Amino acid sequence: EAQVTQNPRYLITVTGKKLTVTCSQNMNHEYMSWYRQDPGLGLRQIYYSMNVEVTDKGDVPEGYKVSRKEKRNFPLILESPSPNQTSLYFCASSGSLLMNSPLHFGNGTRLTVT
Amino acid sequence: AQKITQTQPGMFVQEKEAVTLDCTYDTSDPSYGLFWYKQPSSGEMIFLIYQGSYDQQNATEGRYSLNFQKARKSANLVISASQLGDSAMYFCAMRLFSGGSYIPTFGRGTSLIVHP
Repeated sequence: EAQVTQNPRYLITVTGKKLTVTCSQNMNHEYMSWYRQDPGLGLRQIYYSMNVEVTDKGDVPEGYKVSRKEKRNFPLILESPSPNQTSLYFCASSGSLLMNSPLHFGNGTRLTVT
Repeated sequence: AQKITQTQPGMFVQEKEAVTLDCTYDTSDPSYGLFWYKQPSSGEMIFLIYQGSYDQQNATEGRYSLNFQKARKSANLVISASQLGDSAMYFCAMRLFSGGSYIPTFGRGTSLIVHP
C-alpha cells in the first residue's frame, strides 16, 4: 500500500531531551516536507527536501534539523526540545516538484514537551 | 505576509445543503496550483481537489467543486449535499515556484460542522 509512515504517533518528553520523529514513504517521491499544526495557525512548513541530500528551510525552521540521506526517509530531529515545540507534526511527500502534485500525508505525531 | 487566507474559522451547515468555504490567495506569478485538503477529527489529511492556474474550467470531484475566480484570486470549495461525514477541518493550499520547486503553503483552515 502506498503510504507515508511516521513514528511515533504520540510522544511526551521533557525539555532538552533530544528526539527524532521518523518519516518514510514507499512511493519513490522526490519531494518530502515537515509541517507543524497549531490551533488557529494552520500548517506551517518546517523543512522540505527536493531530493537526496537537498534540504531547505521552511517558514518555522528554528529548533529543528532534518536529513535526507535516502530518498525514502526524512527524519525530523529536535536537538533540545522546548515547550513551544508542543504541536501536531505531519510529514508529507509528493511525486513531483510540479505545481499540480498533491501532498500525501503521514498520520501525524502529537508531541508534548514538558 | 500570508499567501493563503481563509476568513471563516468556523462554518455550520444543515445536512443535505450546499456549503461554500472561502479561500483567497496572493501571488503575481502566473503559474501556481491550488488544493483543498480535509482533516477529519481522526487527524489525517486527505487531498480533495486540485485547480491549476491555467485551467479554464472549474475542477470537480464528486460532491466537491472548486469555484475558481482568477481575477479575484479566489478558490472557494463548494460541497454539495452535505453529509454528516463532511464535518472536519478544511485547508486551502497553494503551490508556488520558489528555488527550483513548487512549494506548498497552507491557509489557517475552516472548521465545518454539519448538523442533522
